[in-house]
Amino acid sequence: DIQMTQSPSSLSTSVGDGVTITCRASQTISNYLNWYQQKPGRAPQLLVSGASTLQSGVPSRFSGSGSGTDFTLTISSLQPEDSAIYYCQQGYSVPFTFGPGTKVDIK
Amino acid sequence: EVQLVESGGGLVQPGGSLRLSCAASGFTFSAVWMSWVRQAPGKGLEWVAHISQDESNKYFVDSVKGRFTISRDNAQNSLFLQMNSLRAEDTAVYYCAKYGAVYGRAHDYWGHGTLVTVSS
Repeated sequence: DIQMTQSPSSLSTSVGDGVTITCRASQTISNYLNWYQQKPGRAPQLLVSGASTLQSGVPSRFSGSGSGTDFTLTISSLQPEDSAIYYCQQGYSVPFTFGPGTKVDIK
Repeated sequence: EVQLVESGGGLVQPGGSLRLSCAASGFTFSAVWMSWVRQAPGKGLEWVAHISQDESNKYFVDSVKGRFTISRDNAQNSLFLQMNSLRAEDTAVYYCAKYGAVYGRAHDYWGHGTLVTVSS
């Protein structure tokens, strides 16, 4: 199975700051990498698919990049509503494993 | 509007069985792969299983192989997860999710989830 790791596991930063979350796969996954946002008590929501394609309706302050084994999710200017847990997931080979998540808090 | 509505969760004893259902609407159900993803209380997401449009392909995470089966009824726009020999570690919110027509094999829509608790 492909193992996914994320860093940091959590962060706390101010509104308006930039945030970068890293996701690493244990083997190459091309760009079969997706990012989800989950708020407390809610289902996950797809933000980015195929490493860099922003989903319709997702604010442009979110962006994804990377290929192979190393990927990043960037929030250019953090907003209060971005407080959530962010998960990466590989869609390269089954089982489609998720990363452990990165919790983003607002100071 | 795409909607996925899970049902069938509840409290079950270890070794027991439960059948989850997911009612889909707002898209052509028979045209898409579907999956189940679970989340143990306070934990991260775990992909459990998925099924192709015509049920010819089914895949499971190792921890549920031989105990869980996945099926669908395209005429009724419904997805199912039959869970047998349940264990305490199967306790989780179970989400039904559809794959989108997007690169990356991403889940573009999720249900609200149904809670399964395995306890004596």
